[in-house]
Amino acid sequence: QVQLVQSGPEVKEPGASVRVSCKASGYTFTVYYLHWVRQAPGQGLDWMGWIHPSSGATNYAQKFQGRVTMTRDTSINTAYMELSNLRSDDTAVYYCARDRDASSSLDYWGQGTLVTVPS
Amino acid sequence: SSELTQDPAMSVALGQTVRITCQGDSLRSYYASWYQQKPGQAPVLVIYSKNNRPSGIPDRFSGSSSGNTASLTITGAQAEDEADYYCNSRDSSSNHYVFGTGTKVTVL
Repeated sequence: QVQLVQSGPEVKEPGASVRVSCKASGYTFTVYYLHWVRQAPGQGLDWMGWIHPSSGATNYAQKFQGRVTMTRDTSINTAYMELSNLRSDDTAVYYCARDRDASSSLDYWGQGTLVTVPS
Repeated sequence: SSELTQDPAMSVALGQTVRITCQGDSLRSYYASWYQQKPGQAPVLVIYSKNNRPSGIPDRFSGSSSGNTASLTITGAQAEDEADYYCNSRDSSSNHYVFGTGTKVTVL
């Protein structure tokens, strides 16, 4: 069965960077786009960008350009999202999600990773 | 970038029908997908490509689209349908993706 398993919670100081991992299993990792979505406490879903694991091509939301880097390691079927220069308003649950057909349909999601940046 | 607008909250009596709408310019070019999210859980895809249900999603969930508006209809709402619902689609101007503002559905 398809699974996306994310790394554990993180607490980071303002100005630091955080890297969240997303390990895929149960399907061919290199075939499907992988998206990152975040959700601040009590807020809605916020699309951050995607990576295509086969080529490494990325596409980032404008608001995260310059601060986010998405990478992957195909040898271990794992994607990474690194966010730098953290601020208190980056406190959120970060999700990875598989795109079933490159048309915004995110059919499998990781369990989420809480990143806390104290103010 | 485009925005997708949803009503913040809706309520429905048990067993009745509720339609949740999502408005945005990108919906003239791209289909919406719909997600259900319960407290403390990751979102779950319930409708994709206008009106397709993933395996395991009850057939009381259906989708439709007209012009700049996409809709998710729950026919015969159950207590377990109480959740937040989000639409999303591609952004027609930037090749990015965008989520709707979300609708909290309460089943009375």
